[in-house]
Amino acid sequence: DQQVKQNSPSLSVQEGRISILNCDYTNSMFDYFLWYKKYPAEGPTFLISISSIKDKNEDGRFTVFLNKSAKHLSLHIVPSQPGDSAVYFCAASVLGGGSQGNLIFGKGTKLSVKP
Amino acid sequence: NAGVMQNPRHLVRRRGQEARLRCSPMKGHSHVYWYRQLPEEGLKFMVYLQKENIIDESGMPKERFSAEFPKEGPSILRIQQVVRGDSAAYFCASSPLPGGPSDTQYFGPGTRLTVL
Repeated sequence: DQQVKQNSPSLSVQEGRISILNCDYTNSMFDYFLWYKKYPAEGPTFLISISSIKDKNEDGRFTVFLNKSAKHLSLHIVPSQPGDSAVYFCAASVLGGGSQGNLIFGKGTKLSVKP
Repeated sequence: NAGVMQNPRHLVRRRGQEARLRCSPMKGHSHVYWYRQLPEEGLKFMVYLQKENIIDESGMPKERFSAEFPKEGPSILRIQQVVRGDSAAYFCASSPLPGGPSDTQYFGPGTRLTVL
């Protein structure tokens, strides 16, 4: 049973436009969410995170929105650049409790930004 | 992910051999996580360790897999008697402190294990 779902395997966007990557989760215990970017043959690189007490977190061109009632979060990249082309993973964790913060990942969305 | 070191980057083993994967966390980090990524899949949690302690191994297969994080030296993920299904990318991550807003995990470049 997949607790973190990224339903779009791929997304293609024109340079300069907005990229919106979506993520849904099923476990209402999740209270910390992260986005990672991954290039081929490299490890995931942390991008941005959000705690469940917030509904928005912004860092430069990257903004993450969290809708707890819908169990949905999204990553907005504005403006998109060709160097943003990568696979983006959504991850969630339960802080405290027995899981000790291990991350549950979605399957990823491959973003292609065309010049 | 600069700072988390993994070696080897690529490892080829024949069925039945042992694989040892090493991970040195970022400086100042004492918490290490191991994840496995199969082709076309997301990363799957395997085990969480602190120095000399296994905190959570709920994602680790019960047989053939073991992990350690000794007082000195890197964390080791050991796979005995490898099978073809063990072929995957194995990522190590470290964090300074779990269970809080600073719980961001930083990943190494991974070890790609191929079992022939």
